[in-house]
Amino acid sequence: QQQVKQSPQSLIVQKGGIPIINCAYENTAFDYFPWYQQFPGKGPALLIAIRPDVSEKKEGRFTISFNKSAKQFSLHIMDSQPGDSATYFCAARGSSNTGKLIFGQGTTLQVKP
Amino acid sequence: NAGVTQTPKFRVLKTGQSMTLLCAQDMNHEYMYWYRQDPGMGLRLIHYSVGEGTTAKGEVPDGYNVSRLKKQNFLLGLESAAPSQTSVYFCASKAAGGNQPQHFGDGTRLSIL
Repeated sequence: QQQVKQSPQSLIVQKGGIPIINCAYENTAFDYFPWYQQFPGKGPALLIAIRPDVSEKKEGRFTISFNKSAKQFSLHIMDSQPGDSATYFCAARGSSNTGKLIFGQGTTLQVKP
Repeated sequence: NAGVTQTPKFRVLKTGQSMTLLCAQDMNHEYMYWYRQDPGMGLRLIHYSVGEGTTAKGEVPDGYNVSRLKKQNFLLGLESAAPSQTSVYFCASKAAGGNQPQHFGDGTRLSIL
């Protein structure tokens, strides 16, 4: 059973556009929500993360919006560039004692020049 | 500083064969994880370890075994490979405590014929 649902599965935007990737979770015990970025042939790498007591976090062109009551969070990429073309995964942590993450299904983003 | 190194990078097996995937990290991390990545499924946790000599089951452990005899190494074994185990396998490591990120290797692409 997938505890973190991610959409859309794929996304194509023009350079400069603002792609938005959405995730929803069910378990209210999740306490940490990272986003990972993965380029072809490489492993995922942490992009940005947020705690549930914060509604928004920005790092450069990347912003996480978090809605605790709706159990949803999203990634926005401002002024997207072709170099942002990658697969993005949201995740949720169930236990800080083990650091285990539950990942969403992934979104493949293509930014056209 | 190599980070997380996975060997081999590619492998083709016949059904019923066995093999071991090796993960090595040089960051002195306490926690280590094995995931499999399949299209549309995201990353699913197979087994994990919170310290040398300890292992635990993840979300999809059936058909796999692991060992962590040394802190820097985490081995994933397939005793009798099945076509359903065709996947890309990722290893990750993480420092203990706080919101430390998981650091991923570049994966092992495994095909079972």
